[in-house]
Amino acid sequence: EVQLVQSGGEVKKPGESLKISCKGSGYSFTTHWIAWVRQMPGKGLELMGIIYPGDSDTRYSPSFEDQVTILADKSISTAYLQWSSLKAPDTAMYYCARHTPASYGDFLDYWGQGTLVTVSS
Amino acid sequence: DIQMTQSPSSLSASVGDRVTITCRASQSISNYLNWYQQKPGKAPKLLIYAASSLQSGVPSRFSGSGSGTDFTLTISSLQPEDFATYYCQQSYSTLGTFGQGTKVEIK
Repeated sequence: EVQLVQSGGEVKKPGESLKISCKGSGYSFTTHWIAWVRQMPGKGLELMGIIYPGDSDTRYSPSFEDQVTILADKSISTAYLQWSSLKAPDTAMYYCARHTPASYGDFLDYWGQGTLVTVSS
Repeated sequence: DIQMTQSPSSLSASVGDRVTITCRASQSISNYLNWYQQKPGKAPKLLIYAASSLQSGVPSRFSGSGSGTDFTLTISSLQPEDFATYYCQQSYSTLGTFGQGTKVEIK
């Protein structure tokens, strides 16, 4: 069974750093891209970026370039989303999802349960 | 960037109703269109990919159609468990953008 299990919720102060995780199991972690998706409170879904754990090739959506870092450790089948200095607007639910290619584009077929990040002074 | 616009933003419907949600792309995206369902407090779930292909395990009352710039998600007979928010996503570009969502509420 394919599973993506994310780390628990975090409460942080502005300016603090943070790394949240997403551990995959039940499939070949190194041969599927992993995506990170942001959902701000009461808002829609935003694709932040993707990483290929096999070689750590990473792509960022323009809105998130230089705002976050996406990493992966293939030895433990885990992807990460990292901030060096959090801001209040980073408060959101963050989902990881498996990014699977198809004949017409690609799709997000398995999702983690989400990690709620709250940034407040 | 490819912009995705869904309509309506919300709708009220009754159990058994036929429901249609529309998604329009700012440029042609061929069949590169996915649909997701999200229930409150839960992660999104893939329903339809490549505009009309039903994801494994998804009930057949869900269907998708369209190509180019205009796409439709149809629920043939709305069930109580279908009350949720639905998102389209284009996968024409590598980091596909989502529509703003359509909330389906109980009438």
